[in-house]
Amino acid sequence: KAGVTQTPRYLIKTRGQQVTLSCSPISGHRSVSWYQQTPGQGLQFLFEYFSETQRNKGNFPGRFSGRQFSNSRSEMNVSTLELGDSALYLCASSLSSGKGELFFGEGSRLTVL
Amino acid sequence: QQQVKQSPQSLIVQKGGISIINCAYENTAFDYFPWYQQFPGKGPALLIAIRPDVSEKKEGRFTISFNKSAKQFSLHIMDSQPGDSATYFCAASMKGQGAQKLVFGQGTRLTINP
Repeated sequence: KAGVTQTPRYLIKTRGQQVTLSCSPISGHRSVSWYQQTPGQGLQFLFEYFSETQRNKGNFPGRFSGRQFSNSRSEMNVSTLELGDSALYLCASSLSSGKGELFFGEGSRLTVL
Repeated sequence: QQQVKQSPQSLIVQKGGISIINCAYENTAFDYFPWYQQFPGKGPALLIAIRPDVSEKKEGRFTISFNKSAKQFSLHIMDSQPGDSATYFCAASMKGQGAQKLVFGQGTRLTINP
């Protein structure tokens, strides 16, 4: 069974640009969560989607948004990039929302110059 | 109140020894406490998890000890092996918010010397 797939794995952007990251969950998993990982702040929850609906949201500004498609694939978007947005963005999938093990992908490493 | 404090930041243990990582929390609404293991270049992977109605859970060489009154929990790795060298994160989620919304500790970089 394929794991969680995130694309692209690495990308470089400049301040003010926007970026879209993609996540394909494990087949059959309907919940997709996104986390930001930085050396300073550690792992921080961004949001969770289940059945195309945002179920939960972390404390990030509105520049961070996401969506989920009917096939459970998810995208997150960061607009007006800032230097501090440089991070590893991790996607995790689980069978259902509310409980269950999170399976993480390898992440998309974003560098903002 | 939403924080999970993890210590130590880094830990070096000899092969065959016991590795112990500690976490503490304030919010009594937390009701699910998983531990994740992360290798360089990889995403975190669930190791073991516990709920507050249990004081200890063991899976192979990994044991979680949970002290509800002290609001502390710890991970013990018995007979530590070089392959256990990784970063370990404790986490917690709140009742009603789901296991997907995790609050993570800052991580412990564990090195097992051969």
